[in-house]
Amino acid sequence: EPEVTQTPSHQVTQMGQEVILRCVPISNHLYFYWYRQILGQKVEFLVSFYNNEISEKSEIFDDQFSVERPDGSNFTLKIRSTKLEDSAMYFCASMHTSPGLAGVVGELFFGEGSRLTVL
Amino acid sequence: GEDVEQSLFLSVREGDSSVINCTYTDSSSTYLYWYKQEPGAGLQLLTYIFSNMDMKQDQRLTVLLNKKDKHLSLRIADTQTGDSAIYFCAESTPSGTYKYIFGTGTRLKVLA
Repeated sequence: EPEVTQTPSHQVTQMGQEVILRCVPISNHLYFYWYRQILGQKVEFLVSFYNNEISEKSEIFDDQFSVERPDGSNFTLKIRSTKLEDSAMYFCASMHTSPGLAGVVGELFFGEGSRLTVL
Repeated sequence: GEDVEQSLFLSVREGDSSVINCTYTDSSSTYLYWYKQEPGAGLQLLTYIFSNMDMKQDQRLTVLLNKKDKHLSLRIADTQTGDSAIYFCAESTPSGTYKYIFGTGTRLKVLA
């Protein structure tokens, strides 16, 4: 069964270091997302990506964050200079068709997450 | 803005019914979803309900939607130890990117 894969599963980094989290979405999906969950808090939307560009980003997704889909298969999230408060579980997700079309449920498929710990 | 609220914990005995509740704010949501997260795994779609329905049944799962109160619930009949997981309520917004808004998740613990 096709699945979304994320690497690394856990990364520990020093404050101020750059981090790249990698995701391979399901191959025929068109919509890509990053979410994060700080321990005990909500799963928060970070950014959505469609047609090779960011379609929406949240207030959390400031200039320290960037996303890329460099080769048509990988989808990466880069944090340029990590802060302590960036410690969280980061989830990549993809979707084939949006629920905007009649009768389309719009199921989001999630990866297992990358746990980022900033010291 | 959009917001989804859930209680954090629920503990039930094996064989009992579990009811997980959720409130949301965006009345224009097209679909409302329940996702399940087992330990070490990503979130997986469990069931969903279209916003013009008030109930959906799927084997042991019953989803109830009260649009007036913006309240969604998930009932699991005959709860089993394998149902122990975190359950997330989510709504999809009908804006261009169809981002999902999730709650905190409710951790369900099933006691043998």
